[in-house]
Amino acid sequence: SYELTQPPSVSVSPGQTARITCSGDALPKQYAYWYQQKPGQAPVLVIYKDSERPSGIPERFSGSSSGTTVTLTISGVQAEDEADYYCQSADSSGTYQGVFGTGTKVTVL
Amino acid sequence: QVQLVQSGAEVKKPGASVKVSCKASGYTFTGYYMHWVRQAPGQGLEWMGWINPNSGGTNYAQKFQGRVTMTRDTSISTAYMELSRLRSDDTAVYYCARDPATTPYSSSPYWYFDLWGRGTLVTVSS
Repeated sequence: SYELTQPPSVSVSPGQTARITCSGDALPKQYAYWYQQKPGQAPVLVIYKDSERPSGIPERFSGSSSGTTVTLTISGVQAEDEADYYCQSADSSGTYQGVFGTGTKVTVL
Repeated sequence: QVQLVQSGAEVKKPGASVKVSCKASGYTFTGYYMHWVRQAPGQGLEWMGWINPNSGGTNYAQKFQGRVTMTRDTSISTAYMELSRLRSDDTAVYYCARDPATTPYSSSPYWYFDLWGRGTLVTVSS
């Protein structure tokens, strides 16, 4: 089955930049989306269609795509950004199926 | 306001079925696809399938084919997810999540989720 691979953890100091990668063979053909999930809460969409930011999401969140890898960048990290982050896309190899990345824990030092 | 309100926590025995509800408010329920996603304790997110509330059409993840049924009641703006033959590894928080693709204009979802319910914990234990 199709997989999206993320690093398990990223640590960053306040004010620095955090970069979270997500790799998958179908990413050149399918958009990627990013969600932030804090403990005990539902996920929140932070990036859609690789690099678009929903209304209400701070400008420090940005997304980019290059080949089979997409990247979520958090510039000027704040303590409130500590959370789990998941990439997500669609597997179009057969009947379309949704697929999530393995998740990355962002720790603000 | 725009929200998805899910039913309360459930405890089920192995082999039983569970039906989770998701009531939409603040927008036209039949206007947007609805997905279901689950998350086992301490684990990642797992997509289960979607329903088109306008037509009733569904698409299930291969993993859950034959065990999951997604339905809706348009009169009360509510989507349902029923999972049968429960096992201990079905213990998870189950979320409903709206897809921004509008029905009937979109023949397929956009495959992302712009509005989530708070989740329903389903515990499977003997």
